[in-house]
Amino acid sequence: KQEVTQIPAALSVPEGENLVLNCSFTDSAIYNLQWFRQDPGKGLTSLLLIQSSQREQTSGRLNASLDKSSGRSTLYIAASQPGDSATYLCAVRPLGGGYQKVTFGTGTKLQVIP
Amino acid sequence: DAGVIQSPRHEVTEMGQEVTLRCKPISGHNSLFWYRQTMMRGLELLIYFNNNVPIDDSGMPEDRFSAKMPNASFSTLKIQPSEPRDSAVYFCASSWGGSYNEQFFGPGTRLTVL
Repeated sequence: KQEVTQIPAALSVPEGENLVLNCSFTDSAIYNLQWFRQDPGKGLTSLLLIQSSQREQTSGRLNASLDKSSGRSTLYIAASQPGDSATYLCAVRPLGGGYQKVTFGTGTKLQVIP
Repeated sequence: DAGVIQSPRHEVTEMGQEVTLRCKPISGHNSLFWYRQTMMRGLELLIYFNNNVPIDDSGMPEDRFSAKMPNASFSTLKIQPSEPRDSAVYFCASSWGGSYNEQFFGPGTRLTVL
């Protein structure tokens, strides 16, 4: 059974700092991995999706990397801003034919202090 | 596009009452997912529909929960009778092309069962 862990559960940084969020998964047979952000009282917003054949994806100040062999993904946020404050979740989709259930991590709650 | 629409946004009810949550997926999407999010268990998939047909309902906690998708633009999740442990945020998400593609989440329904 796939297990997805995100450490730390919470993180507080001063504005302008570069930071890294971690996502670990136990089964490396994955199809893709997706990073989401969730604002309080809101649904999930997709940030980046990395296919298993890719090493990284970039969008603006965000860069997500994937190392399947070690079962790890990182989300790098450059020059953090107060608007980045949210909970960040990773989700892993396994390999296999037909339907495969996505497993979500428990999230990292980020606070960027002005 | 208005995105995934869920109603109501908040629901407070008493134990034993029937609760119906509603979801309108993004037009053109053929896959729909119901999730439940709690502090203890994180985000859990309850049921997944593809082309209005339930593909995976293994996440439905018990017979008190039921879901329907009578057409491509509407789905319901019903709890009868409701219990305090059902209190959670329930999210609906939709995608095109099955479970492998990017999911778009609705804002969620916060359910409180007293």
